[in-house]
Amino acid sequence: GENVEQHPSTLSVQEGDSAVIKCTYSDSASNYFPWYKQELGKRPQLIIDIRSNVGEKKDQRIAVTLNKTAKHFSLHITETQPEDSAVYFCAASKDQGAQKLVFGQGTRLTINP
Amino acid sequence: DTAVSQTPKYLVTQMGNDKSIKCEQNLGHDTMYWYKQDSKKFLKIMFSYNNKELIINETVPNRFSPKSPDKAHLNLHINSLELGDSAVYFCASSHPSGKQFFGPGTRLTVL
Repeated sequence: GENVEQHPSTLSVQEGDSAVIKCTYSDSASNYFPWYKQELGKRPQLIIDIRSNVGEKKDQRIAVTLNKTAKHFSLHITETQPEDSAVYFCAASKDQGAQKLVFGQGTRLTINP
Repeated sequence: DTAVSQTPKYLVTQMGNDKSIKCEQNLGHDTMYWYKQDSKKFLKIMFSYNNKELIINETVPNRFSPKSPDKAHLNLHINSLELGDSAVYFCASSHPSGKQFFGPGTRLTVL
């Protein structure tokens, strides 16, 4: 089955700097890659997603890149702000009726003011 | 106007008891899920229902039994609770595009 590895497990950056979180997946049939943000005690919230027919997608300060050949995808956050502090999860799935999301282990991002 | 809701938010119970968690979504989605998030924050899918039919059943002890009375509701019943069942359980539903939306979670503590 699918296996998703996520790095780093913790990341600390200065406010205003950029943050990058990387994930690799094992199943070449996976074609949907969402990213979730989870604040302390809250639900995971979808912040951006990408499908395998696209190499890059951007939404304001966040962007995701996908390299299908290498089977890895990354989340980029620019101009980080204190409210970006949270745990971020990547996930992968393939369209099979239901989206069986396989999650990475999570990255705890801390933005230092 | 809550999209995906769960009850209860907290559940504290003794080992060996049976408990249920309820989930409802008002998004009109056909597919719903149960996920378990352990103490290390790892999120793992347990079950998925599509229009009341079970379509994903991961390696979960058969003490866990999901039930979907209609496509807007997915409940989770757990028999003979064990210490290792302590976790946060999230319900989710998905749009046909694949985007999944999570409920607020139920923190289950087994003493």
